[in-house]
Amino acid sequence: QVQLVQSGAEVKKPGASVKVSCKASTYTFSSSGISWVRQAPGQGLEWMGWINAYNGERSYAQKFKGRVTMTTDTSTSTAYMELRSLRSDDTAIYYCATEGKSLTDVWGQGTTVTVSS
Amino acid sequence: DIQMTQSPSSLSASVGDRVTITCRATQDISNYLAWFQQKPGKAPKSLIYAASSLQSGVPSKFSGSGSGTDFTLTISSLQPEDFATYYCQQYNSYPLTFGGGTKVEVK
Repeated sequence: QVQLVQSGAEVKKPGASVKVSCKASTYTFSSSGISWVRQAPGQGLEWMGWINAYNGERSYAQKFKGRVTMTTDTSTSTAYMELRSLRSDDTAIYYCATEGKSLTDVWGQGTTVTVSS
Repeated sequence: DIQMTQSPSSLSASVGDRVTITCRATQDISNYLAWFQQKPGKAPKSLIYAASSLQSGVPSKFSGSGSGTDFTLTISSLQPEDFATYYCQQYNSYPLTFGGGTKVEVK
């Protein structure tokens, strides 16, 4: 059973950076892609980007280009999402999700990121 | 980018009702359409992929149909555990995009 476990909640000040981790277990991490999706309070789902854990290929949503970096560490089966220059409207739950029958079959439990001065 | 429009944005239904949610894409996405269920405080759960295929373990009361630009999710007999928000998502091309969600509430 594929499982993704994300890092804990973060509180950041405007202008800071946050790095969220997503550790995979019980599947071949290096042959899969990981998407990152966020959800602002009371809002819908917003795709941020995707990374291929095998070759590092990436695709970022235009909205986040220049501010986000997605990486993977195949030795620990962990994916990372770093978001820089945080603003209050970056306050959200950040999810990682991995491929299966579609591109976002299995989801992590989510990481709450709060941006507040 | 492909825009996904879901309707209705919310609906009220009773236990035992048949519920249908629609999702429309702004361009042909073939059958690259997934449906998700999200309960408050929880991560989304994948229900359907390829427009009409049930994920493993998902009960058969859920069904999906459609291809091209128009899709539906049907819950044949609504149960208490089905009250949640449902999202469609196209994965035909990047950026992946979601519908705005349909909140299914108790009538």
